Amino acid sequence: GAGVSQSPRYKVTKRGQDVALRCDPISGHVSLYWYRQALGQGPEFLTYFNYEAQQDKSGLPNDRFSAERPEGSISTLTIQRTEQRDSAMYRCASSSMGRGEQYFGPGTRLTVT
Amino acid sequence: GIQVEQSPPDLILQEGANSTLRCNFSDSVNNLQWFHQNPWGQLINLFYIPSGTKQNGRLSATTVATERYSLLYISSSQTTDSGVYFCAVMASGGSYIPTFGRGTSLIVHP
Repeated sequence: GAGVSQSPRYKVTKRGQDVALRCDPISGHVSLYWYRQALGQGPEFLTYFNYEAQQDKSGLPNDRFSAERPEGSISTLTIQRTEQRDSAMYRCASSSMGRGEQYFGPGTRLTVT
Repeated sequence: GIQVEQSPPDLILQEGANSTLRCNFSDSVNNLQWFHQNPWGQLINLFYIPSGTKQNGRLSATTVATERYSLLYISSSQTTDSGVYFCAVMASGGSYIPTFGRGTSLIVHP
């Protein structure tokens, strides 16, 4: 079956613009996680959902970052008024349940110029 | 929060050599995964192993949860094994937040 997909794969945007990153999890997976990964580092947790409910958003860096999963499937991570420091790889993962094995998508490479 | 330390940070091998990567964690866990980030950036699942031993071809992993560490063994390494290996854990209790180590960067020369 299909794995986790993310779009776009690459995004270049100018400072101050808003961006929306999309994640399509494995069908039927309950839990969906967002991470940010800087070069040379491991992924860092941003937020996660069970079904449509956002369970924890403690990893979101500031209030310019938000996420939603309105129908319990596809999720969108939105960054408003982007800054250069937001440049990173943004990864999404899904699992069949909260503590289950996570499967990652290919990531979105965001560059803010 | 829980701390995750991976060692060694860097490893260079000749093709055919064996290696052991280690992941230490500071608290009890009920979820542990090993991933391989290949040179194209994709994170590939290797093992879901909160305890015990598993094997998959040339790779095997052991987690000793009571002693708070996990080991990943790579035998007869190949150039395609190059990349970064990450360990990720979830602490026992109410947290569902995964914590990743900084990874072990592996280069396998032909």
